[in-house]
Amino acid sequence: NAGVTQTPKFRILKIGQSMTLQCAQDMNHNYMYWYRQDPGMGLKLIYYSVGAGITDKGEVPNGYNVSRSTTEDFPLRLELAAPSQTSVYFCASSYRREIETQYFGPGTRLLVL
Amino acid sequence: KQEVTQIPAALSVPEGENLVLNCSFTDSAIYNLQWFRQDPGKGLTSLLLIQSSQREQTSGRLNASLDKSSGRSTLYIAASQPGDSATYLCAVRGDSGAGSYQLTFGKGTKLSVIP
Repeated sequence: NAGVTQTPKFRILKIGQSMTLQCAQDMNHNYMYWYRQDPGMGLKLIYYSVGAGITDKGEVPNGYNVSRSTTEDFPLRLELAAPSQTSVYFCASSYRREIETQYFGPGTRLLVL
Repeated sequence: KQEVTQIPAALSVPEGENLVLNCSFTDSAIYNLQWFRQDPGKGLTSLLLIQSSQREQTSGRLNASLDKSSGRSTLYIAASQPGDSATYLCAVRGDSGAGSYQLTFGKGTKLSVIP
């Protein structure tokens, strides 16, 4: 299993541009999550999904959108990028919410200039 | 709102020393607590997960304890090695509502083990 994969690894955006961060998992996990990590800070939840077609907001959803059309994929869309969205973005997945750990991807480093 | 604090923010120890990392949380209504390891430029790797009904979990040289009522957890690393150098993150999952879907993370403790 490849686990959780994320693309791209690094991206520079100009203010006002849009992009989609890709996330895929091959573990047949129901739950998927997007987090952002700012320097020296803990991770904060942006959006999560409990299954295909079902998504909900986390702690810091403003400026982002998600969709989940398949079990495997959970893309994160940034519309009108702002410098405040400069961060490292992590995707994670888990089979069950309560008991099992979340498995994390390697992250996407985004710089908005 | 749940808040997670990790002390110290950074720690440097000589190889072979035993060490303890601390984590505290403000809301004791948690479902579980996890310790993660994060290497520079990499994702997070889960080390130990403790359910709220458990007191501790062990994996190799690692031992994590949980005192839910006092809002504290410790990660004990025995006989530290240079390969243990990384940032260690503590995270809790709430036991109800929206908080049960997300992990609340501390800022981490950056550990350096000196050969």
